[in-house]
Amino acid sequence: AQSVSQHNHHVILSEAASLELGCNYSYGGTVNLFWYVQYPGQHLQLLLKYFSGDPLVKGIKGFEAEFIKSKFSFNLRKPSVQWSDTAEYFCAVNSGGGADGLTFGKGTHLIIQP
Amino acid sequence: NAGVTQTPKFQVLKTGQSMTLQCAQDMNHEYMSWYRQDPGMGLRLIHYSVGAGITDQGEVPNGYNVSRSTTEDFPLRLLSAAPSQTSVYFCASSSVRSPPYEQYFGPGTRLTVT
Repeated sequence: AQSVSQHNHHVILSEAASLELGCNYSYGGTVNLFWYVQYPGQHLQLLLKYFSGDPLVKGIKGFEAEFIKSKFSFNLRKPSVQWSDTAEYFCAVNSGGGADGLTFGKGTHLIIQP
Repeated sequence: NAGVTQTPKFQVLKTGQSMTLQCAQDMNHEYMSWYRQDPGMGLRLIHYSVGAGITDQGEVPNGYNVSRSTTEDFPLRLLSAAPSQTSVYFCASSSVRSPPYEQYFGPGTRLTVT
């Protein structure tokens, strides 16, 4: 069974700091990769996704992620965070089949201090 | 489009009571799924369906039943609620026709079992 690891469970940053959240997955075959964000009291929203092509993908709100196949990684980055980025961030993987669903990491709780 | 809708938003049950969490989508998606979200655990798949009349178990299916009689609806039934089922429940749907099979999430149901 595939698994997803997110290295940081809690991250606290100041506004304008740079952000990198780590994500590693265990599946060796074709994968589709996602980062979702959950703002306080809200449901999950898609930040960005990767399934083929350029391994550097850009998402909403200035976020980007890089797929490194050799490292089984899909790290999320943002050059300068804002207070409104305070949220829970989830990395998820689908093993290439539409009927396989998503396997989620345990999430990273990000707090941005003004 | 309403996307994925869930009812109720909040529910309190007593141990042993039964209830059904409703989920509907208007995107004509083949795939629908139920997740539960618990602190520090991420989202875990309960049950999923790849079409009307087809359901299967996910990672944590015990204590839950599902059925899929139409493409649009995918209710989750708790037959005899237990305190361990206190959680936030999310329904999601996706198309299986082409990758990356991005899942769209509903707003969630917060369930407390006393």
